[in-house]
Amino acid sequence: DTGVSQDPRHKITKRGQNVTFRCDPISEHNRLYWYRQTLGQGPEFLTYFQNEAQLEKSRLLSDRFSAERPKGSFSTLEIQRTEQGDSAMYLCASSLVYTGLAAYEQYFGPGTRLTVT
Amino acid sequence: AQSVTQLDSQVPVFEEAPVELRCNYSSSVSVYLFWYVQYPNQGLQLLLKYLSGSTLVKGINGFEAEFNKSQTSFHLRKPSVHISDTAEYFCAVTVMFRGSNYKLTFGKGTLLTVNP
Repeated sequence: DTGVSQDPRHKITKRGQNVTFRCDPISEHNRLYWYRQTLGQGPEFLTYFQNEAQLEKSRLLSDRFSAERPKGSFSTLEIQRTEQGDSAMYLCASSLVYTGLAAYEQYFGPGTRLTVT
Repeated sequence: AQSVTQLDSQVPVFEEAPVELRCNYSSSVSVYLFWYVQYPNQGLQLLLKYLSGSTLVKGINGFEAEFNKSQTSFHLRKPSVHISDTAEYFCAVTVMFRGSNYKLTFGKGTLLTVNP
C-alpha cells in the first residue's frame, strides 16, 4: 500500500512526558501537512513542509511543539511536556505541488490519537 | 481568512432516503472546495472537489455537490443512502492564488447516521 502512514496509531502518556509521532507520506509527494483534530471539531492546520523546509506554522503550534522533515521524506512531530489539552487526533497529509501545477488533493493518514492523563 | 460553516452537526436519515449536508463558506478570495468523509478511528478520505468548471461535481460512492458562488455554498447530496454511509462528513476550503500554501480550513463536521 502506498498511502500515508502514521505511527503510532494510539499513544497514552502522562502529563509532562514528551511524545514523538511519525508520518510517512506518499513517496513522490513534496508537501506534507500536520493537522490536529479535537473531539467534535474539524481538523485544524498546524504546520506544513515543502520538501525539507518548514514554511508555515500555525499559532496553535506552541513552543512545546516541534516538527521536522529532515530528508524531505518522513516527518516527525514532537510534543514536549505534554498537557491534558494536547489530547487530540494528530493527522498527517501529503500532496504533490510543483511549478505551474498544483495537486490540490491532500491524502490523509489514519492519524495518531494522543491521550494525556 | 476563510471559514467554513456546516449548518447541521447531526443528520439522521433512513436507509434509501435522500440526504443533503449543508456547507457555507466565507472568503475574500477565490477558493477550492472539498468534501471529506471520516469513518470511526480513521483518517479522512476525499469524496469530491470543486476547482473550476461545472458547478455540479460528482464524487465517489454516489455523492455529488453543487457549488453556488452567489450563496457561497457547497452542499453535498446523495439520492439514496446506505447503512455504510454512516460517518462524519467534513467540508473544507483552500484559497487559490500563486504561492498558496493550500492548507485546508475545515468545518466542524456533520455526523450522518443512516438507520435501517
